[in-house]
Amino acid sequence: DAKTTQPTSMDCAEGRAANLPCNHSTISGNEYVYWYRQIHSQGPQYIIHGLKNNETNEMASLIITEDRKSSTLILPHATLRDTAVYYCIVRPLESGNTPLVFGKGTRLSVIA
Amino acid sequence: KAGVTQTPRYLIKTRGQQVTLSCSPISGHRSVSWYQQTPGQGLQFLFEYFSETQRNKGNFPGRFSGRQFSNSRSEMNVSTLELGDSALYLCASSLRRDTEAFFGQGTRLTVV
Repeated sequence: DAKTTQPTSMDCAEGRAANLPCNHSTISGNEYVYWYRQIHSQGPQYIIHGLKNNETNEMASLIITEDRKSSTLILPHATLRDTAVYYCIVRPLESGNTPLVFGKGTRLSVIA
Repeated sequence: KAGVTQTPRYLIKTRGQQVTLSCSPISGHRSVSWYQQTPGQGLQFLFEYFSETQRNKGNFPGRFSGRQFSNSRSEMNVSTLELGDSALYLCASSLRRDTEAFFGQGTRLTVV
């Protein structure tokens, strides 16, 4: 079972920041937070991951709370092409024996 | 750099038949995982291969099998197809077992 809780759906105006929350209150000290997204009928796309520090790459920023029980994925300037299902996943540091466990994710709709 | 390539993209089979799906990982990636995605069950892990050995297996019947070749390419096979096997089958590759996974576009299998 997925160890994360995400809202079922969210809307965001085009050009605005999209902030997608994720609750992972039972996360262990050795678990990363991963984010993937899936645009309709395509394979999931890796976005970003982090352990305890905030992370930023060309796609998004990941903000993890100090107690690590929740995080927020930020798409700074959402476009229509960011409409997708976003999955928040926790995965152990030593993940050799642990596959990605996908929950239901958040369906983000970016509106013009 | 080419991404993960899955062939064929679409497939229609009849109940009772068997099917083989192919996955070519990103060059240099040695770990390949397979997932099944259906509207009812979401994304579910099938199995993982690394260095030609199955390292991890999800909760699927023995009709589902796979293998990995020395060049890291992988195939999965489903025998005695059932209507419920209709799904999007996704392959993901990663450099090592503990690094981020990158997905292909999937093979959409329809069983009639």
